[in-house]
Amino acid sequence: ELKVEQNPLFLSMQEGKNYTIYCNYSTTSDRLYWYRQDPGKSLESLFVLLSNGAVKQEGRLMASLDTKARLSTLHITAAVHDLSATYFCAVAYGNQFYFGTGTSLTVIP
Amino acid sequence: DAGVIQSPRHEVTEMGQEVTLRCKPISGHNSLFWYRQTMMRGLELLIYFNNNVPIDDSGMPEDRFSAKMPNASFSTLKIQPSEPRDSAVYFCASTTLAGPYNEQFFGPGTRLTVL
Repeated sequence: ELKVEQNPLFLSMQEGKNYTIYCNYSTTSDRLYWYRQDPGKSLESLFVLLSNGAVKQEGRLMASLDTKARLSTLHITAAVHDLSATYFCAVAYGNQFYFGTGTSLTVIP
Repeated sequence: DAGVIQSPRHEVTEMGQEVTLRCKPISGHNSLFWYRQTMMRGLELLIYFNNNVPIDDSGMPEDRFSAKMPNASFSTLKIQPSEPRDSAVYFCASTTLAGPYNEQFFGPGTRLTVL
C-alpha cells in the first residue's frame, strides 16, 4: 500500500516568515495534489502537479514535485493569518488518492 | 456548477438507528469516492465507484456499512446499525477520468454524531 508522510504535523509560524511543508511518498506516482481544509469545512483543491520538476504558484503558496525523490513541497512565503488551515497532500495511484496526515498551520501575528 | 452536494449536513442519531448519507456528484464526473474523517484516523477512503460500479470497498469498516450508486447522479452510504464509534465527518468526492488532472472535488461533508 502506498504510504504518504507529511511533516511537520503542526506548524506555528509568525506573520511574514517563510516555511516549507514536506510530503514524502513510498511508491512511484506521476500525480500529486495539495488541498487546503479550513476548520469545519471541506477540502479545497490548491494544486495539481503532474510531472517531475513541476512547479505551481498561487499567491504566497508554491508547490513543487520531485518524482525521483518521491517528494513534494509546499512553500509558504511571507505568511499571513489567512493562510491558517490544514494542508493535505494526496498522491494518486491508479484511480485512488492516498492522503497524508495533514499539516495544521497556524500563522500568528 | 453546483459542486458536489451532500445531505444531510448534520445528523445526530442514537446508537442502533439506521443512518443514510446522500451524495450528488458533479455532473459529468464518472468516479465517486466516500471518505471518513476523524481526528484519530485522519482521512480514510471507504469505497469508490467508477461509472456507478463499486471498484474497491476494502475501506468499508464492517458489514454495517453499505454503499450504492444506482445512477450517475446519486449515491448513498448507509450505516445499519449505527454505533458511537461511527461518529465522524463523511465526505463524498467526485472526479472525471477523462482528463489529465483527475483531481477530486469534495462535497461539504456530513457531520454524523451517534449517541
